[in-house]
Amino acid sequence: EIVLTQSPGTLSLSPGERASLSCRASQSVSSSYLAWYQQKPGQAPRLLFYAASGRATGIPDRFSGSGSGTDFTLTISRLEPEDFAVYYCQLFGNSPRFTFGPGTRVDIK
Amino acid sequence: QVLLVQSGVEVKKPGASVRVSCKASGYPFSNHGITWVRQAPGQGLEWMGWISGDNGDTNYAQKFRGRVTMTTDTSTSTAYMDLRGLRSDDTARYFCARDRYYGSGSYSLDVWGQGTMVTVSS
Repeated sequence: EIVLTQSPGTLSLSPGERASLSCRASQSVSSSYLAWYQQKPGQAPRLLFYAASGRATGIPDRFSGSGSGTDFTLTISRLEPEDFAVYYCQLFGNSPRFTFGPGTRVDIK
Repeated sequence: QVLLVQSGVEVKKPGASVRVSCKASGYPFSNHGITWVRQAPGQGLEWMGWISGDNGDTNYAQKFRGRVTMTTDTSTSTAYMDLRGLRSDDTARYFCARDRYYGSGSYSLDVWGQGTMVTVSS
């Protein structure tokens, strides 16, 4: 079973700063299988990217996804107040069908 | 507008069972599978299993096999998740989400229900 590791666990930044979130897989995976989600307190997760870099509907272009092999990155170019949340990467596989990373919390500094 | 609307709060005693429903609207139900994910208080997301919206095929996480059953009623576009033998560590918010396939083996969960809080307590 492939394990996803996200770093850092918490990122403390100010509005307007750039955020770079890492998701690392325990073995090489196809970028087609990697997705990113945002979750705010009390809300359901929201899809940000599928296939590592495919932006979901309605996601602002300050968000970008990249990576391949074992290393994937979610970048927020300039943090807006509504971007402070927890971000999860997710891998599609055979069994289990979906695996989530532990999440990165982006806090206001 | 694509929506998944889940059933309400549940409070159960240890050993009991719970059924959570997820009613879909705004798309052909049989075109997409439904995935169930849970989140314990203050914790991350945990995949529980998947059910096809077409033929009812299922795929359960190893951890829940024998305790969970996922079903669908295509006549009402509703998915159900039954969890038996509840324990205190089953206390969590349970989400349903729509599977979406983009081609080239790419899947994601593009629409989510609002979540159903299940509390297990004596």
